[in-house]
Amino acid sequence: RKEVEQDPGPFNVPEGATVAFNCTYSNSASQSFFWYRQDCRKEPKLLMSVYSSGNEDGRFTAQLNRASQYISLLIRDSKLSDSATYLCVVGDYKLSFGAGTTVTVRA
Amino acid sequence: EADIYQTPRYLVIGTGKKITLECSQTMGHDKMYWYQQDPGMELHLIHYSYGVNSTEKGDLSSESTVSRIRTEHFPLTLESARPSHTSQYLCASSEGGRGTSSYNEQFFGPGTRLTVL
Repeated sequence: RKEVEQDPGPFNVPEGATVAFNCTYSNSASQSFFWYRQDCRKEPKLLMSVYSSGNEDGRFTAQLNRASQYISLLIRDSKLSDSATYLCVVGDYKLSFGAGTTVTVRA
Repeated sequence: EADIYQTPRYLVIGTGKKITLECSQTMGHDKMYWYQQDPGMELHLIHYSYGVNSTEKGDLSSESTVSRIRTEHFPLTLESARPSHTSQYLCASSEGGRGTSSYNEQFFGPGTRLTVL
């Protein structure tokens, strides 16, 4: 079983829509949770850390459910520039990356 | 923008050649990492380092080797390149050394796209 599993998508949504997706992780001892964004053929970049109480950064909201071992990302009022692959990242003493969820926002 | 650099950005080389992929960071980070990523696939950790003279193998077995003689520099070497080594190699760094309890954001370099013919 992979340490981090994500729905690969793609999620194809119109501009202005809300899109949400989850990832599940297998190591219950994990302490750090992140969402990274990776554009095609580019390096991953941190989108946001995920805190136990959930957190918001502009149009992006992340939630953590430790009991069910999943984290979620919600994007509101999606923009064309949100088109990317979103990587779920989980770790304790080292980080494990999911394969990513691809989001395509169309005009 | 993260201050982490990788050279070369692209490398096409013949089988059997020895290659070294360079990675440098100017952030003073103790932790550094090498990942391998094939197109559309997840990142796989192949090496990491907690600080100078510390290197560990990652989750994915790799024929490459690394060294950490200086904090800012973490080169990866393949003694004899093969077509199976064709991939993108991403270097990253983060704050904190061995024993740091919290795991901090990793900053990634732009990657080296390696093709072995």
